[in-house]
Amino acid sequence: NAGVMQNPRHLVRRRGQEARLRCSPMKGHSHVYWYRQLPEEGLKFMVYLQKENIIDESGMPKERFSAEFPKEGPSILRIQQVVRGDSAAYFCASSPQTTMNTEAFFGQGTRLTVV
Amino acid sequence: SQKIEQNSEALNIQEGKTATLTCNYTNYSPAYLQWYRQDPGRGPVFLLLIRENEKEKRKERLKVTFDTTLKQSLFHITASQPADSATYLCALPGGSYIPTFGRGTSLIVHP
Repeated sequence: NAGVMQNPRHLVRRRGQEARLRCSPMKGHSHVYWYRQLPEEGLKFMVYLQKENIIDESGMPKERFSAEFPKEGPSILRIQQVVRGDSAAYFCASSPQTTMNTEAFFGQGTRLTVV
Repeated sequence: SQKIEQNSEALNIQEGKTATLTCNYTNYSPAYLQWYRQDPGRGPVFLLLIRENEKEKRKERLKVTFDTTLKQSLFHITASQPADSATYLCALPGGSYIPTFGRGTSLIVHP
């Protein structure tokens, strides 16, 4: 059973371009969480999705950021018109249901560099 | 506001000793608490979950305690090895049980 798959592992974008980060959850998992991590900082929650629904997007900036988890295919975190401050590691985690009393399974992350 | 605090200074210990990491929290009444391990360039990996009615939990060389009065969890690694060197993250359930993480403490075990 493959784990949580994120791609690409590394992404370089120029300022003003769009970045698309993909996350395929573990088989049988319908809940996906996106986090951002800056060097020397902790994981900051961005958005929580179930299939076709955004459950909580309280950690995601209102401008330029969006996320989706369609019925078929991976979850996508999209950053439009990237700026240098968007450079970070973005992690996706999945769980079969809510993470109440259970663990989240993380991918290896996408490292976004904005030049 | 809710806060999770972990020692930001790296913990350096000698191989074979017991490492003890601390997680303090405020403005939370969590039903459980989790510990994860993160290696450089990789995603966090779940280690242990301890519930509010459990004082202590063990898994191999790992031991976690949970004191809801002190609002503190201690994470112990006994007989530490250089391979235990990593960053250890404490997580509490936020809204919708979303895992909310502390900044983590880096552990360095010297041979």
